[in-house]
This record gives sequence, C-alpha cells and structure tokens, in this order.
Amino acid sequence: GAVVSQHPSRVICKSGTSVKIECRSLDFQATTMFWYRQFPKQSLMLMATSNEGSKATYEQGVEKDKFLINHASLTLSTLTVTSAHPEDSSFYICSARGRQVNQPQHFGDGTRLSIL
Amino acid sequence: SQQGEEDPQALSIQEGENATMNCSYKTSINNLQWYRQNSGRGLVHLILIRSNEREKHSGRLRVTLDTSKKSSSLLITASRAADTASYFCATAPTSFYNQGGKLIFGQGTELSVKP
Repeated sequence: GAVVSQHPSRVICKSGTSVKIECRSLDFQATTMFWYRQFPKQSLMLMATSNEGSKATYEQGVEKDKFLINHASLTLSTLTVTSAHPEDSSFYICSARGRQVNQPQHFGDGTRLSIL
Repeated sequence: SQQGEEDPQALSIQEGENATMNCSYKTSINNLQWYRQNSGRGLVHLILIRSNEREKHSGRLRVTLDTSKKSSSLLITASRAADTASYFCATAPTSFYNQGGKLIFGQGTELSVKP
C-alpha cells in the first residue's frame, strides 16, 4: 500500500521557535498533499491543500504567514510553524494523494507539537 | 466547515459482537470514505463508496450509503480487540473536484472492543 512518512513524530520546543514538519510519500507520486490539525478527542481540521509546484490553498481562518507550506516535489511537502506559541500546540497530520482526485488519501503518522 | 456528524460518539462492545457506526452529512457528495485512527497515529483508509453505490464490503467491513437520507453506516462484524480505534467518515462534496479533492471529516466514533 501507499506509504506516507511524517517527521518528526514529536517536537517539544520553546515559545518563539519555528518548527518544520516534513511529509514524504515513499512509494508514489503525491500530486496533492493536505495538512490537518487535530485537537484531543476531536476531528481533523483541514488547514491547507498543496499541489506540487503551486502555492498552497489555505482554509478560512488559517494564517498563511504563520503556517508556511512548501510542496516543491512530488514526494515532499513541508509545514513550517513560524514563531510558535503555546496555542499552536497540537497534533499535525499530513496526507498525500495521487493525481486522481477521487483516490483515497494516505496519511502520515502525525507530529505532536508541544510549545512551552 | 465540518459537515459529517457521527453517531454514537463512543461505543463499547465485547469481542465477537458487531459494531455499527453511523454518519450523516449535509450536502451532495461525490463519494464517502471511512477511515480508522489508532490512538496517537495517522488515519488509515478503510473503504470508499461512491454516490451511485448503496453497499460495499471489504472483509469484515460493510458500508451502506443512503443519499436520500444523506447518511452512511459502517458495520464491523465479529469485532476483535484490535479493532479498538476511532473511526471517521469523510465526505467528498460534489464540488470537490474544483477544490483539490479535499475531504470533510466527521467527528468520529471511538470504538472500544473488550476482550
């Protein structure tokens, strides 16, 4: 099956630090990648959709300058949380999908971000 | 906005019993998907049912879709302790081709299967 690797799995850092999370598709070309945020016991909230070589499309209410997304290749997308603060602490999950829009999404294992 | 609502929010059963989870949604869809999430992990795709399909099977999973009622159900038969996880439905609105294929996830059902 399609494998998506997300790294790091856990980050603990001080307030004001910028944190970069990587999402890689290991065995398929990810034309589109999605970034989600999940609070405890809650559903996934889509933050942005990124297509390879294009600017990401952010959901309403998500700060573009706060959450920088880069999708420079068909196998890698990165999410950078800039100047992170405690309220940014959350579980961030990426998913990737191939070229066909009606294919399932394949998820990474998530990154637990804790800002002190 | 989240358009999927799942019922029940939590379900606790004994191993061997069947588990049924329901999902309701609000707008027209292209397809509906079910995912599973183990605690602290990413989601795993289980099954996709298209809007013109009424029922689909995969192993011990059975999914039904009623577009007139805008609802779907996931049945897990002969449950095992390893089925303990959160289960999410995700809808692909008919506009999703124009929106990069984004999905809208429901709130999830937390299933606990006791050995």
